[in-house]
Amino acid sequence: ILNVEQSPQSLHVQEGDSTNFTCSFPSSNFYALHWYRWETAKSPEALFVMTLNGDEKKKGRISATLNTKEGYSYLYIKGSQPEDSATYLCALRRIKAAGNKLTFGGGTRVLVKP
Amino acid sequence: GAGVSQSPRYKVAKRGQDVALRCDPISGHVSLFWYQQALGQGPEFLTYFQNEAQLDKSGLPSDRFFAERPEGSVSTLKIQRTQQEDSAVYLCASRQGMIDTQYFGPGTRLTVL
Repeated sequence: ILNVEQSPQSLHVQEGDSTNFTCSFPSSNFYALHWYRWETAKSPEALFVMTLNGDEKKKGRISATLNTKEGYSYLYIKGSQPEDSATYLCALRRIKAAGNKLTFGGGTRVLVKP
Repeated sequence: GAGVSQSPRYKVAKRGQDVALRCDPISGHVSLFWYQQALGQGPEFLTYFQNEAQLDKSGLPSDRFFAERPEGSVSTLKIQRTQQEDSAVYLCASRQGMIDTQYFGPGTRLTVL
């Protein structure tokens, strides 16, 4: 994997259902993986910063896991609600990146249907 | 407290016009980043400041793009002679230290006709 990739690009979820999606990234020179939630017309909101292999983070109904050796992270939404509708972005921070800039995936657009 | 703000939120420019996009970072944040998000893609890095010093401008797509942060707080991204391919959302982010998360503004949506 050379770039940060997210799949699927979009998904529709029925209210109350749980869902998950993937961020894949190159594992070399790994420093941290960030997850953001971006609602239309708002600022991207930081959800998690993950640094250690095996990390699991949770914020309300949203949780994330990290595997730095194989280069992937999963984000889970439990019991989806309409307010969870947003684009979820993952971003890689690498050790040797100047200024520790973030390299983003293309995002997963989630639409929760009432 | 106040987050990162950007202005204008929307900008329509005719091809060939110059535009200036403003970013007000969170007070006290040392680092400031600009990203460009084209339709259907993730944000891509443009440039990075530490205080007033522009330490990385490797992501600026051409010499028509220029960024400054003269007093180490407010930053301006200037695009000269805009082209249609410059149409995108321009995001600004600030960070307090070297190890903290980046906090984003709402972006400026630029449309070049």
